[in-house]
Amino acid sequence: EAGVAQSPRYKIIEKRQSVAFWCNPISGHATLYWYQQILGQGPKLLIQFQNNGVVDDSQLPKDRFSAERLKGVDSTLKIQPAKLEDSAVYLCASSIHSGERFFGPGTRLTVL
Amino acid sequence: DAKTTQPPSMDCAEGRAANLPCNHSTISGNEYVYWYRQIHSQGPQYIIHGLKNNETNEMASLIITEDRKSSTLILPHATLRDTAVYYCIVRVLSTGFQKLVFGTGTRLLVSP
Repeated sequence: EAGVAQSPRYKIIEKRQSVAFWCNPISGHATLYWYQQILGQGPKLLIQFQNNGVVDDSQLPKDRFSAERLKGVDSTLKIQPAKLEDSAVYLCASSIHSGERFFGPGTRLTVL
Repeated sequence: DAKTTQPPSMDCAEGRAANLPCNHSTISGNEYVYWYRQIHSQGPQYIIHGLKNNETNEMASLIITEDRKSSTLILPHATLRDTAVYYCIVRVLSTGFQKLVFGTGTRLLVSP
């Protein structure tokens, strides 16, 4: 079974620039998650989708972060404008409903 | 939400059993204990979960105390590839969906 795919794997941008990350979940997984993992910390949930609807975005900094999941499959996470403190690994995960999460390899973002 | 406490780091010799403790003294009766691990530069990987009874799968065993205030993840024969950060997580309910909150975990180093 193919795993969760993410791209790009690495991204370097300057502060105030914008950036977008893409995630393709495991086929048939209705629930999709975006996590932010700052160096030395555990992953923090940013947003959770059930199909193409948002279930939980309480931790998403909505003034600069946005996410969408069109057609209930692929998802994109955008940051505009980026700040230095956004440097982190952005992990996408998917699951059948709210069961075991399968994580992708992540996108490492560096904001200079 | 129940919180967990784990030692920040542990060492283990290759081939020996690795016993990773976790305290969750405020766990509620319907909350499960989950374990994930994260190998360097990869996304977290599900290991095992349990409610009351001890559980075993091909990766590990989970021992939960009778009062459910603590648990131990056991890797029976640790290998170098088991070097990772191990997260003990208590599953919480959020708006009807099951939310996983990651702490900082235990960094396990398996040495030859």
